Amino acid sequence: QLQLQESGPGLVKPSETLSLTCTVSGGSISSSSYYWGWIRQPPGKGLEWIGSIYYSGSTYYNPSLKSRVTISVDTSKNQFSLKLSSVTAADTAVYYCAIEPPTDGSGNDYWGQGTLVTVSS
Amino acid sequence: DIQMTQSPSSLSASVGDRVTITCRASQGISNYLAWFQQKPGKAPKSLIYAASSLQSGVPSKFSGSGSGTDFTLTISSLQPEDFATYYCQQYNSYPVTFGQGTKLEIK
Repeated sequence: QLQLQESGPGLVKPSETLSLTCTVSGGSISSSSYYWGWIRQPPGKGLEWIGSIYYSGSTYYNPSLKSRVTISVDTSKNQFSLKLSSVTAADTAVYYCAIEPPTDGSGNDYWGQGTLVTVSS
Repeated sequence: DIQMTQSPSSLSASVGDRVTITCRASQGISNYLAWFQQKPGKAPKSLIYAASSLQSGVPSKFSGSGSGTDFTLTISSLQPEDFATYYCQQYNSYPVTFGQGTKLEIK
């Protein structure tokens, strides 16, 4: 049973870079047949897909964020990471990591618990 | 991008009711559609994938149907724990997109 856990600073200053890591346990990030994704949710609002990565390094990004987003993978640490540059208050959100598509083929979906990142000086 | 439009945006219902939420895609997505339930302060939980397949452990009172552009999530015999916000998600093509959500409230 996979477990995903987000980690990173909860407070980021405007214009700086938001950095988060998702640690995968209970399975290898390299042996999976799915992508590893980031989704965010501003307070009181809906879900927004940020992007995703395969263990080989292949990535897809949301065009609305593409110029500021980098997603990377570290198979040796069983982790994947998100960097979002030049943040503003609009980037304040709960950030989730999850598998993609939303099934492991056996009827299971895996999400992290989410981490709130606030952009403020 | 594929736009996902859910209706209604909010829904008031009573315990025991049967409710249906619809999701329309701006272009065909085959059956690459998932439904999520989210409760306050919690991560979304996937209920349905591939439009109609129930995730493991999800009660059979949740059902999904549809293909192409029009999809529905039906919840039968509402219980207090079912009152939450529901989202559809298409994963047919990138970027992955979500509906705006349907808030299901107790009448």
